[in-house]
Amino acid sequence: DAKTTQPPSMDCAEGRAANLPCNHSTISGNEYVYWYRQIHSQGPQYIIHGLKNNETNEMASLIITEDRKSSTLILPHATLRDTAVYYCIVRVERNNAGNMLTFGGGTRLMVKP
Amino acid sequence: DTAVSQTPKYLVTQMGNDKSIKCEQNLGHDTMYWYKQDSKKFLKIMFSYNNKELIINETVPNRFSPKSPDKAHLNLHINSLELGDSAVYFCASSFSDSYEQYFGPGTRLTVT
Repeated sequence: DAKTTQPPSMDCAEGRAANLPCNHSTISGNEYVYWYRQIHSQGPQYIIHGLKNNETNEMASLIITEDRKSSTLILPHATLRDTAVYYCIVRVERNNAGNMLTFGGGTRLMVKP
Repeated sequence: DTAVSQTPKYLVTQMGNDKSIKCEQNLGHDTMYWYKQDSKKFLKIMFSYNNKELIINETVPNRFSPKSPDKAHLNLHINSLELGDSAVYFCASSFSDSYEQYFGPGTRLTVT
């Protein structure tokens, strides 16, 4: 599975868009990009995933570059409750490894009032 | 209507003891997992299990064993507890063809 690189921390003003980058320059053609977050003292929470098209759901938008070597998770109007560690994970869909997720260090997003 | 639940939330025990953590999901998922999050906050997969297959992360000591009485439950048994087993343990579940996993609230295990 491709390795991902994320900045260790970021700040964002409340109400502004939070743009979290992820580099996955060794991604393969059949690997998806998944985003999870972990709010303090809680279990990780699935946010969104995509292959090559941009994706949007009620929580966030995922922008994947045309060469698929990087992506950006966008929280359009960050709130204090979005303060969390955000993980970018690259995995092959439906592999034979039991759907195990490998979490890296993630980006600690601090939303400030 | 909790989706993935774990008990207990906190567990304090002495070295050498054997303990279990229970996990239940009501999402109808066919695959369940156990993850360990250590003091440095790194989250590591331990097991992936469905009714057909158990996949074990090779770094997990054989003192750890998952046991599934049915598709909705995956309990974690730990024998001969060691200080290094102190961590937060998360249970999760998903459908077998998805990486969209739902996590429980975690069990904080402290070994003294």
